Parts: sequence; C-alpha cells; structure tokens
Amino acid sequence: SYVLTQPPSVSVAPGQTARVTCGGDDIGSKSVHWYQQKPGQAPVLVVYDDSDRPSGIPDRFSGSNSGNTATLTISRVEAGDEADYYCQVWDSRNDNLVFGGGTELTVL
Amino acid sequence: QVQLQESGPGLVRPSQTLSLSCAVSGDSTKSGEHYWSWIRQPPGKGLEWMGYIYSSGNTYYNPSLKSRLTMSLEMSKNQFSLKLTSVTAADTAVYYCARGPTKWGLKNFDKWGQGTLVTVSS
Repeated sequence: SYVLTQPPSVSVAPGQTARVTCGGDDIGSKSVHWYQQKPGQAPVLVVYDDSDRPSGIPDRFSGSNSGNTATLTISRVEAGDEADYYCQVWDSRNDNLVFGGGTELTVL
Repeated sequence: QVQLQESGPGLVRPSQTLSLSCAVSGDSTKSGEHYWSWIRQPPGKGLEWMGYIYSSGNTYYNPSLKSRLTMSLEMSKNQFSLKLTSVTAADTAVYYCARGPTKWGLKNFDKWGQGTLVTVSS
C-alpha cells in the first residue's frame, strides 16, 4: 500500500516560515491535499490539488509538490497556526485514499 | 452554509455492529456534485479514510475495512449512514462524516462534521 511520511513535529518562531513535508513514492505525480486540525476540532482543508487554497484560507498557506516530496509552507507563522497538519492523496493503484501520519506544528 | 452532523451511540459492545448517521444541511446528497465520506481517528492517532458513497448508491471502501463496512444513503432525510460489523477495541475512534470527493475527481474533503466519539467496550 502507498505510504505518506511526515515528520512528527515541526517548531517555528512567530513570524517565521514553517515547512511541513510529506514524502511518498513519486508523490509529484499525485494530487496532494493538506488539512489543519486543532485540538478537539475537525480537520479543515487548507490546501488542495498541491497548491490551491479554499476560500477563506489565508494566503500565508501555500503548497508545492515535486518528485518524492510535497510541502506545505506557512509564512509569517502566528500562534493560531499551532495544530496538527495532515497530507492526503488518492492511491489509484490500490483504489485507496491515504493520509500521512500527521505533523504537530509548535509555535515557540 | 454546508453543515454535517454525526449521530449515533457513543458506546458499542465488542463483536456488535457500530451504526452512525450523518445529517447534511446546506447541500443535497442527491445533487450528484459530491461523494459523501466517513473518516475516523483513534484517540491520539491519525486519520483513516473509511469509504464514500455517491448519489447513485455506488460505494468505495477502504480495502482494509471492506469486509465489515456498509454505507448507505437516506435521500429523503438528506443523510447518509455507516455500519461497521464485528467491532473490537481497535475501532474506538472519533468518527467524522465529510463532503467529498467531488464528482470531477478532486479527491479531498472540503466540509466536515464535528465528529462523534465511539468507544468499543464491554
């Protein structure tokens, strides 16, 4: 089955840039989606189709995808960005939808 | 404004069947614009896609759950449901219903319910 690998945690100071990676075999050929989940809340879609943002998501959130790594970039990080972030793809070979294990973003 | 709301028992006995419903407002399960999904999250762990259903009744299940999972639509009530049989403690999780994928093939979830915790215990 297809595996997505995320670092368990990322730390960043306020105002700096956070990068959350998502590794997978030839992930660049797939469409990657990113979710933000704050404690006790449902996930929220923040980036879809590698780099598009749903309405209402600040342009501080951006995404890229190439080769074996997709990246969610959060610019000018704020305390309110502290959350778990999950990447997600569709594994067409196995007809399965896969989530990464999640990355806990800590704002120092 | 699209909203989804899960409902069902919070406690299920081992080996029994877990049944949940998701009521949709602000959109129609029979519009054909989206599929409708279930995703779960064990306490302290990550997300697991369970399956989705289309307005035609066609279903797509996670291969790891396929033998135990049934999803259905109740269009008259604008809701959809899941049944998971032969549950064990490993099925203890927060269960989310969500809107997505789109009919155009964008396989993500743009609206989520608040989630409901289901505990499997005797």
